[in-house]
Amino acid sequence: AQSVSQHNHHVILSEAASLELGCNYSYGGTVNLFWYVQYPGQHLQLLLKYFSGDPLVKGIKGFEAEFIKSKFSFNLRKPSVQWSDTAEYFCAVNARGSSGDKLTFGTGTRLAVRP
Amino acid sequence: EPEVTQTPSHQVTQMGQEVILRCVPISNHLYFYWYRQILGQKVEFLVSFYNNEISEKSEIFDDQFSVERPDGSNFTLKIRSTKLEDSAMYFCASSRDRGSNQPQHFGDGTRLSIL
Repeated sequence: AQSVSQHNHHVILSEAASLELGCNYSYGGTVNLFWYVQYPGQHLQLLLKYFSGDPLVKGIKGFEAEFIKSKFSFNLRKPSVQWSDTAEYFCAVNARGSSGDKLTFGTGTRLAVRP
Repeated sequence: EPEVTQTPSHQVTQMGQEVILRCVPISNHLYFYWYRQILGQKVEFLVSFYNNEISEKSEIFDDQFSVERPDGSNFTLKIRSTKLEDSAMYFCASSRDRGSNQPQHFGDGTRLSIL
């Protein structure tokens, strides 16, 4: 069974600071990888996804993530955060080629950006 | 952009009562999911549904739970004889296809409070 670890539970940054949120997964096979964001009072929205190809994927709002297979990692980055990036960020995986599509989520990282 | 809609946004129910959570997936989507998030914990998969039958369920999804697609638009989660530990945020999701290239789109969630 797959599992996901997000080591940063709560991150506080000032505007214009750079962001990197860690995500590691555990699974013996090939996975699809996702980052979802949940703004206060809103639903989970897909930020970016990796299925195959270039391990550096770009998403919405200037976010990007890099899949490093040897490290089982899919860290989320943004060079310069804004106050509007205040939200909770969830890393998720599903096992490619399996009979099921369930997403396995990490515990989430709550990001607070100070203006 | 089409959205997954969930009703009600907040449901308060006495322990032992039955509750039905409703979801309207995106109209051309074929795969439907329920997840839940207990306060302070990670988002957990409950069940996936395709072609009018359950395709996968977690160990959480016991006989107390059932899902149904009663018509062409709604997808419901029924919890019989609710328990205090059923208090959580319940998210519905849908995807156009399964697996590889099709991310799941989430609704705003229903906050279920069992008294």
